[in-house]
Amino acid sequence: EVQLVEFGGVVVQPGGSLRLSCAASGFTFDDHAMHWVRQAPGRGLEWVALINWNGVTTDYADSVKGRFTISRDNSKNSLYLQMTSLRTEDTALYYCAKGSSVGIYYFDYWGPGTLVTVSS
Amino acid sequence: DIQLTQSPSFLSASVGDRVTITCRASQAISSYLAWYQQKPGKAPNLLIYAASTLQSGVPSRFSGSGSGTEFTLTISSLQPEDFATYYCQQRGTFGQGTKVEI
Repeated sequence: EVQLVEFGGVVVQPGGSLRLSCAASGFTFDDHAMHWVRQAPGRGLEWVALINWNGVTTDYADSVKGRFTISRDNSKNSLYLQMTSLRTEDTALYYCAKGSSVGIYYFDYWGPGTLVTVSS
Repeated sequence: DIQLTQSPSFLSASVGDRVTITCRASQAISSYLAWYQQKPGKAPNLLIYAASTLQSGVPSRFSGSGSGTEFTLTISSLQPEDFATYYCQQRGTFGQGTKVEI
């Protein structure tokens, strides 16, 4: 059974930094692209970042480019999101999502999410 | 950047109704489009990919169609468990969502 579990969401001050983690199991992790997707309270879904299977290729939403870094450790079946220069508008539930075998931008499994609150 | 606009944003329906949600893209996107269902407090669930292919395990009352700039998600006979918010998605862009309410 595919499982994705996110960790690391906390309350942080504006301008602060935070690292989210996602532990994956139940599938061959290094066969798949992975993503972070976020959802602000009461709002819709926003794609945040992509990393390909070997970590060589990454892509980011314009809203986080230059501030967030996605990475992975295939030896640990783990995905990460390093977040810096955090803003109040980064407050959201952050999901990690697995890219499908039929298309890397089809998200076929999601974790339950971890809540990041940026507030003074 | 591609924009996706869903209509309607809210939809009131009854059990057994046929429901159609439309997603319009600001430019042609071939058939690279997915639909997700999200229930309150839960992560989204992939329903349809490549515009019309049903994800494994998804009931056959869900169907998708379209190409280019206009796409539809249809629920042939709405069930109680289908009351949720639905999103279309193309690569790094999501539609704003359609909430299906009783």
